[in-house]
Amino acid sequence: QVQLVQSGPEMRKPGASVKVSCKASGNTFSNYDITWVRQAPGQGLEWMGWISGSSGNTNYAQKFEGRFTMTTDTSTSTSYMELRSLRSDDTAIYYCAKGSIVGAARPWGQGTLVTVSS
Amino acid sequence: QSILTQPPSVSGTPGQRVTISCSGSSSNIGINVVTWYQQFPGTAPRLLIYSNNRRPSEVPDRFSGSKSGTSASLAISGLQSEDEADYYCAAWDDSLSGPVFGGGTRLTVL
Repeated sequence: QVQLVQSGPEMRKPGASVKVSCKASGNTFSNYDITWVRQAPGQGLEWMGWISGSSGNTNYAQKFEGRFTMTTDTSTSTSYMELRSLRSDDTAIYYCAKGSIVGAARPWGQGTLVTVSS
Repeated sequence: QSILTQPPSVSGTPGQRVTISCSGSSSNIGINVVTWYQQFPGTAPRLLIYSNNRRPSEVPDRFSGSKSGTSASLAISGLQSEDEADYYCAAWDDSLSGPVFGGGTRLTVL
């Protein structure tokens, strides 16, 4: 039974960067594709990107290209997302999920609240 | 403004059947499969329906999905109070080369 456990809440000032981790337990992590999705307060879901567990290939939402990076460390079964040049509208809960959103993304991590405020 | 259009809210009484629509276009729903997610307040989304109409084993068969043309629907029969949640549709969009979500529908059980 795969479980995804994310790192704790973060607070950053505008212009800073944040890195969120997503640690998996269960089967061979190298076979896991990981998707990142965010949800601003009171808003809907927004797809950010996807990273292949087997090849490391990535697909980023155009909106985040250039300031968003996904990586995977198979030795620790952990996937990371880093968002740079943070703005107040980046305040959101960031979720990781195993698989592709349009495939069958499950399970999901518990979410990490990132607050951007001066 | 979401690429996929869902009603902001729907409601029903216990035991009733409700449907949630998801309208897209020829670049997403029209040519790709639809996935549905359920989200309770304060929790992470969970997979409800994939490949238009397939259910994970842990999802009750009261939940069903369908697709026709550029629209999809989620139906919930035998509505229960515990079904009160937000529901999101998603599909790959060939024009954007990525998945898109609907804006979400809040289901209220009266």
